[in-house]
Amino acid sequence: KAGVTQTPRYLIKTRGQQVTLSCSPISGHRSVSWYQQTPGQGLQFLFEYFSETQRNKGNFPGRFSGRQFSNSRSEMNVSTLELGDSALYLCASSMGQGIAETQYFGPGTRLLVL
Amino acid sequence: SQQGEEDPQALSIQEGENATMNCSYKTSINNLQWYRQNSGRGLVHLILIRSNEREKHSGRLRVTLDTSKKSSSLLITASRAADTASYFCATDENDYKLSFGAGTTVTVRA
Repeated sequence: KAGVTQTPRYLIKTRGQQVTLSCSPISGHRSVSWYQQTPGQGLQFLFEYFSETQRNKGNFPGRFSGRQFSNSRSEMNVSTLELGDSALYLCASSMGQGIAETQYFGPGTRLLVL
Repeated sequence: SQQGEEDPQALSIQEGENATMNCSYKTSINNLQWYRQNSGRGLVHLILIRSNEREKHSGRLRVTLDTSKKSSSLLITASRAADTASYFCATDENDYKLSFGAGTTVTVRA
């Protein structure tokens, strides 16, 4: 099976712009989670989707949003970018019985905000 | 906020030696997982240990879990250069959220 794919892999934006990141889960996986990784804060949970429904959300401002499509692919959007949004954004997929199961991570999208 | 905290933050060992890192967490869990990350890439799942298990092995990896102390350890035996990476423990705060520790950076010297 193909692994989790994320596009784009690298992105440079300027403050105030918005960005959309995409994640395609492993075939058959219905749960997709998103994480932000920075040197200062480490890995922070953003949100988790299952069957197009957000089941949990981390402690991030409303500028961060996401959605999941009927084919389980997911997108996350960050509006009005700030310098502090520069990070590695990781998505992970799983069967969806609960996040306590093994998560399969994509390679990440590295976002640089100038 | 982070549920798990790894110790030490960094570890440097010679090839062939064992590496041990610890993880402490705050709330009750269903299971605890360990992941490896190579230089800014995605995380790779290493092992999952359930709350009713005390020890688990996978190849050169040995994980222990002490729920009374809310702690876990990961032992890598006979380390290799390819084991150079950051290692994270992750716990389930609830069914739909994984919380990661800050990680232990392991450097294996040839």
